[in-house]
Amino acid sequence: ILNVEQSPQSLHVQEGDSTNFTCSFPSSNFYALHWYRWETAKSPEALFVMTLNGDEKKKGRISATLNTKEGYSYLYIKGSQPEDSATYLCAFSNAGGTSYGKLTFGQGTILTVHP
Amino acid sequence: DAGVIQSPRHEVTEMGQEVTLRCKPISGHNSLFWYRQTMMRGLELLIYFNNNVPIDDSGMPEDRFSAKMPNASFSTLKIQPSEPRDSAVYFCASIQGASGVVTGYGYTFGSGTRLTVV
Repeated sequence: ILNVEQSPQSLHVQEGDSTNFTCSFPSSNFYALHWYRWETAKSPEALFVMTLNGDEKKKGRISATLNTKEGYSYLYIKGSQPEDSATYLCAFSNAGGTSYGKLTFGQGTILTVHP
Repeated sequence: DAGVIQSPRHEVTEMGQEVTLRCKPISGHNSLFWYRQTMMRGLELLIYFNNNVPIDDSGMPEDRFSAKMPNASFSTLKIQPSEPRDSAVYFCASIQGASGVVTGYGYTFGSGTRLTVV
């Protein structure tokens, strides 16, 4: 059983605050780490696909880093806006050739940005 | 591409009835996944297929659940008989297999089917 842990479970911030969340995953047999954004009443949408240790990805005000040796990834949001309110999921893939694309998802971090 | 298409969007049924959920993956994606979202367990993998073949169904809660993928463009998840505890949102997702996990854009999820069993 692969354990993908996310923290915190939920987070409330004020508009304009910067924030970050953590995703922990097994460091052995690493293949890929994904981040998804999931708004209420919608389906999850991919933010980042990360594969290399030290990877940094950025999309607008959102960025992510990856440390495969110690098994963690951070997601950062700079200057949070109310429209950033969503659940942020990370998902881990190992042993790519035999996984057929299977991802194990964490429980998510629920972000609420207050105006 | 229209994305991953699920139907119906909402389903309300009586306990004991058969329910069939449908999914059309993105053309060219050869891995398809069925997930269930509940408050208690979050996003829970039920079963997944690669090249229309079921690879792992260990997440299927019990024998009342079954899934098929008769061809590359269609999959069904069936619950028979349905029970109130099956009420949840069921998502289908597709990806271009193992290579898509590293070179693609992540999973593409359907809009989900909200199932209510009364």
